[in-house]
Parts: sequence; structure tokens; C-alpha cells
Amino acid sequence: QSALTQPASVSGSPGQSITISCTGTSSDVGGYNYVSWYQQHPGKAPKVMIYGVSNRPSGVSNRFSGSKSGNTASLTISGLQAEDEADYYCSSYTSSTTYVFGTGTKVTVL
Amino acid sequence: QLQLQESGPGLVKPSETLSLTCIVSGGSISSSDHFWGWIRQPPGKGLEWIGNIYYSGSTYYNPSLKSRVTISVDRSKNQFSLELSSVTPADTAVYYCANYAWGRADYWGQGTLVTVSS
Repeated sequence: QSALTQPASVSGSPGQSITISCTGTSSDVGGYNYVSWYQQHPGKAPKVMIYGVSNRPSGVSNRFSGSKSGNTASLTISGLQAEDEADYYCSSYTSSTTYVFGTGTKVTVL
Repeated sequence: QLQLQESGPGLVKPSETLSLTCIVSGGSISSSDHFWGWIRQPPGKGLEWIGNIYYSGSTYYNPSLKSRVTISVDRSKNQFSLELSSVTPADTAVYYCANYAWGRADYWGQGTLVTVSS
């Protein structure tokens, strides 16, 4: 299975909004609403920020939101803060009853 | 609060079998709502899903690793395990165990670095 495609890097100034895309196929992102987004700071385990395309776990800031259109899912971070600087990965359930991660996006707060 | 902790050798020789265990605390591994999985991350690279196991023992593996991977559950010890055979230096990575519920990895272990080298 091929990794989902994400931009290598996205940057923004504090207070701005940024959007990270995650492109798959009809066999994964487009076919299921089991798309999740993970935040990973250096040396730390990933943390789920969005699940089920657009749901936030308890404790995750409402500055994080998710959506999906066709085979592409998106993560938007609004009101960008220094603490949001991290790597972000999308993940999707697939038609093969497996999971696949995205290639990862490094978010830089300017 | 569910907690997961990986354990196992940090160094494995090429062609040998990598074996890791994930000890689960704060909850039962026999919960019917959850899957238990392994994910790895080579140094400086992205995440790769290895596979999941249901408490009943049903397993699901990454097709690219399927021929070399075995994930098993030990309900008596509340833990699950990963075996990856015929390892090469390309299998060097931080290995994470995780709890999956409703399509998301909710809880993660801290990760353990396994280096494949002679």
C-alpha cells in the first residue's frame, strides 16, 4: 500500500491559519470516514488531534479542525501558536482492512 | 487511563528475529471495543503502520511486511507482542505500540529504538 501524500512542509506566522492536505484514493481516504490526524513533537510519541475526519478528542484545542472532500482530507490549524510547531501525519483505514499513514508534514511557526 | 509500555532488545543482528512486547495497564486487553497495534518510525522518517490485533486474536498486517510479521496477544499477562523475522538494517526504527479505537490510535507507548546491526 502506498503512503498518503502530504506536503513536506507548511509554515505560517503566529495567529494565522494553515491547512495541511492528505491525498489518497477511493480505497482509503475517499472510501471511509476513518481519517485521523496526529501531531508529533521531536522525540515524542504521536498524539491524535482529529479522528473520524472531523472529530476532536477531549482536550484537543478547537483551533484544530478536519474535513474531507473526495480523496483528499485536510487539517486546519487556526490561530497558529508556537506550540503547534511539530510534524503532522494523517492516517486512513483502507479497503484491505489495514491502515496507512501519510508522508508527514513539518509545520513551522515563523 | 490506559498506559502502554514497550519492552525488548535494543539491538538485533541482521537476519535474526526482532521481538517486542507491549505491556498494557489501566485497562483490559480483552476489551471488545479496541484493537492493539504496532507502528514504527525509522530515524528521521515518517510513521509506518505494521499491524493490528483484536483481542480475539484476529490479525491485520501491512502487506509490505506481512510475510515477516507476527502479532500475538497474551490475555493472561495483559500484553501483546510483535515478531519481525529476517531483519535488515532497513528495519532500524523506533517501534511504538498503540491502542486503536474507532479508527484512531488513542494511546501510544513511549516508543523503543531497535537497531539492526552486527
